Parts: sequence; C-alpha cells; structure tokens
Amino acid sequence: GENVEQHPSTLSVQEGDSAVIKCTYSDSASNYFPWYKQELGKRPQLIIDIRSNVGEKKDQRIAVTLNKTAKHFSLHITETQPEDSAVYFCAATPGTNAGKSTFGDGTTLTVKP
Amino acid sequence: NAGVTQTPKFRILKIGQSMTLQCTQDMNHNYMYWYRQDPGMGLKLIYYSVGAGITDKGEVPNGYNVSRSTTEDFPLRLELAAPSQTSVYFCASSYHSFPGRSPGLAPYNEQFFGPGTRLTVL
Repeated sequence: GENVEQHPSTLSVQEGDSAVIKCTYSDSASNYFPWYKQELGKRPQLIIDIRSNVGEKKDQRIAVTLNKTAKHFSLHITETQPEDSAVYFCAATPGTNAGKSTFGDGTTLTVKP
Repeated sequence: NAGVTQTPKFRILKIGQSMTLQCTQDMNHNYMYWYRQDPGMGLKLIYYSVGAGITDKGEVPNGYNVSRSTTEDFPLRLELAAPSQTSVYFCASSYHSFPGRSPGLAPYNEQFFGPGTRLTVL
C-alpha cells in the first residue's frame, strides 16, 4: 500500500517568515495530493491540492510543488501570520482507487508574533 | 447546506459495549469515509464507500463495521469496544466523477470532514 512520510513533525517560525513542509510518497500510481489544515479542536479543511499533471500551484500565500520523479511534494507558506498556526496534513490518493487516500502524520506549525 | 454532520460529539464507553457513530451528508457526494485520529497522529482510514450499497476496508478496519444504505448516511458500528479504540473519529465525504461519464473533469475532489466524535473507552 501507499506510505506517506511528512517532515518536519513540528515547525516554529517568526511571523513574516516562510514555512516549508515536505511529504514523500511510495506509490507511483498516486496522482492527487491535497493539503489539509486542522486548527486545534477543529475538523481538517482543504487549503490547496495538486494533481499529477502539474508541477506547481499557487493560491495567494500558499503554494504546493510536486516532483513526480522523486515522489515528493511540498507545501510553501510565505509571509506567515499567527493565524497560520495549526496542524497541516498532506495526503496522497492513488489513481486506481480514489477512496484510499493515505495521510501523513502531520506538521504542527507555530507562528510566533 | 449543513455539510457533513456527526453524532454524538462525545461518548464514553465501557469495555465490551457497542455503539454506532452516525454520519450524514447533504451534498449528494458519492464517496464517504471514516477515519480515526489518535493524539498527535494523522488520519487513518477505517472504511470507505463509493456509493450506496458499496463499502470497502481501509487501513485499520478491525473492530468496526459500516453500512451504506443511502447516499446520505454512513454509520460506523463499534462492536465490543476496547481501550485501543479511544480516538477522535471523523467522517468525510467527497464527489468523484468518472472519466467515462464526464470527460475532461478531474476525477478527484476535496474531502469535506464532519466535526468529529471524541470516543473514550474505559
């Protein structure tokens, strides 16, 4: 089955700095890679996703890059703000089975004011 | 739309008891999922369904059962609760089109999560 590794497990940055979270996956059949943000005590919510036919996607301060050859993808947050503090999860979904997304273990991001 | 709703929000069970976690979505999504989230960990897939009457096992199905009799509802049944089942349970739903029916559309879409059920087994 798919294996998704996420690093780092915790990340602390100063407000205004950039944050980068990386995930690697094992199944070359995976072709959909969403990122979810989970605030304390809340449900996960999608913040950005990327499909395997593109290498990069941006949405304001958030971007995701995908390297299919190396089987890794990364979340980039620029100009971080205290409200960006949360747990971020990556996931990989195989093209052969849209029901079986595999999630990383999460990264706790703390943005210090 | 209410989105994905779950009941109850909290529950304490004794070892050996059974219960059903309810999940309902009103977005006409075809896919539904159950995940568990242990403290400091990611989401582990328990079961999923691609449509009414069709369910399949995820990564950690032991000790659980599901059914999908309607598009809207996807209950999760715990039989003989054990302390290892103490966790937060999230239900989710998504819509996936199939290339044959909708050429050119990306088949995968985001999962919408319910608020979660915090279950403690003592």
